[in-house]
Amino acid sequence: EAGVTQFPSHSVIEKGQTVTLRCDPISGHDNLYWYRRVMGKEIKFLLHFVKESKQDESGMPNNRFLAERTGGTYSTLKVQPAELEDSGVYFCASSRQGGGTEAFFGQGTRLTVV
Amino acid sequence: GNSVTQMEGPVTLSEEAFLTINCTYTATGYPSLFWYVQYPGEGLQLLLKATKADDKGSNKGFEATYRKETTSFHLEKGSVQVSDSAVYFCALPQGAGGTSYGKLTFGQGTILTVHP
Repeated sequence: EAGVTQFPSHSVIEKGQTVTLRCDPISGHDNLYWYRRVMGKEIKFLLHFVKESKQDESGMPNNRFLAERTGGTYSTLKVQPAELEDSGVYFCASSRQGGGTEAFFGQGTRLTVV
Repeated sequence: GNSVTQMEGPVTLSEEAFLTINCTYTATGYPSLFWYVQYPGEGLQLLLKATKADDKGSNKGFEATYRKETTSFHLEKGSVQVSDSAVYFCALPQGAGGTSYGKLTFGQGTILTVHP
């Protein structure tokens, strides 16, 4: 079974540009989560999809961030326009439906805004 | 809301040394507690978990005991190896009830480096 896959693994963009991160969850996992780790700090929750619906987006930092999950399969996280403070590692995780089910994480996308 | 405080690193040890990474938490009720690990170049992996007070989670020689009296979940290993070099994160579910294992609150991570 393939794990959670994230693209790209690294991205370096200039301030003001747009970047789109992609996450392919484990097949059959209805729950999909985005997290971010700013350098040296804790990993912070951004949002949660159940299938194609946003269940909880309380962690999204501002309206420059847009997450989508078309068809309830893969998800994208777009940052537009990117700012320096958006640099960090963005993790995606997925899990099956139901409480108490483990979330499986991807390798993360390291985003550097210069 | 639920929160976790993790000892600051980095931690540098020689092979076969004893490891402790401290983690304390603040939570409503008694949520499950987790340790995640990120090896170089890889994603986060669940290392171990404990779902109720006094439970001991264990995996790959690592152990952590859920102590509600001290609200702690310290990670220990009796004899570390070079291959244990990684970043370790303590975590717990957000919110009361804490049944969603996907929406987690993480500590800031502890970098462990083990030298031969």
